[in-house]
Amino acid sequence: EPEVTQTPSHQVTQMGQEVILRCVPISNHLYFYWYRQILGQKVEFLVSFYNNEISEKSEIFDDQFSVERPDGSNFTLKIRSTKLEDSAMYFCASSGQGDPYEQYFGPGTRLTVT
Amino acid sequence: ELKVEQNPLFLSMQEGKNYTIYCNYSTTSDRLYWYRQDPGKSLESLFVLLSNGAVKQEGRLMASLDTKARLSTLHITAAVHDLSATYFCAVSSYANEKLTFGTGTRLTIIP
Repeated sequence: EPEVTQTPSHQVTQMGQEVILRCVPISNHLYFYWYRQILGQKVEFLVSFYNNEISEKSEIFDDQFSVERPDGSNFTLKIRSTKLEDSAMYFCASSGQGDPYEQYFGPGTRLTVT
Repeated sequence: ELKVEQNPLFLSMQEGKNYTIYCNYSTTSDRLYWYRQDPGKSLESLFVLLSNGAVKQEGRLMASLDTKARLSTLHITAAVHDLSATYFCAVSSYANEKLTFGTGTRLTIIP
């Protein structure tokens, strides 16, 4: 069964450093998303991406964040200068066309900023 | 702004008992999702509810949707330990839109 994959599974970085989180969505999906979950809290939407551009972004997704689909398979989230409060689990999701437009989530990348 | 609330936040129940988790949302929406999350793991899709009155069942779990009341329920029948997890509901207003998640219900089944 097709699945969303994410790398790395765990990333430790120092405050101020840039990180890139990588995702490979399900191959025939057209809509891509990033969410984050701070430990013990609910899942929060960051950004959605369709047709090679951002379709919606949340207040969390400020100028320090960017997304890219550099080729036909990868979807990346870049944080330019990490802060302590960026420590969280980051989930990538993708969805296709046709009901129920279900979003399939990847296993997540745990980002720890020290 | 769409708000999604779940209750209870924490639920500890004995094996074999029945219970219901509630999910209320603040604005009109035509699609409601239930996910399960085990500690440190990703989100596993349980149910997608797309219309008023929709009811879906899988094993000991049954989900329903009342769009007029803006309420979805996840009913657990004869709970078993394997159902211990955090359950999230999520709402979107239209297809391929972002999901707005509820606060989650941490369910613990006690032998």
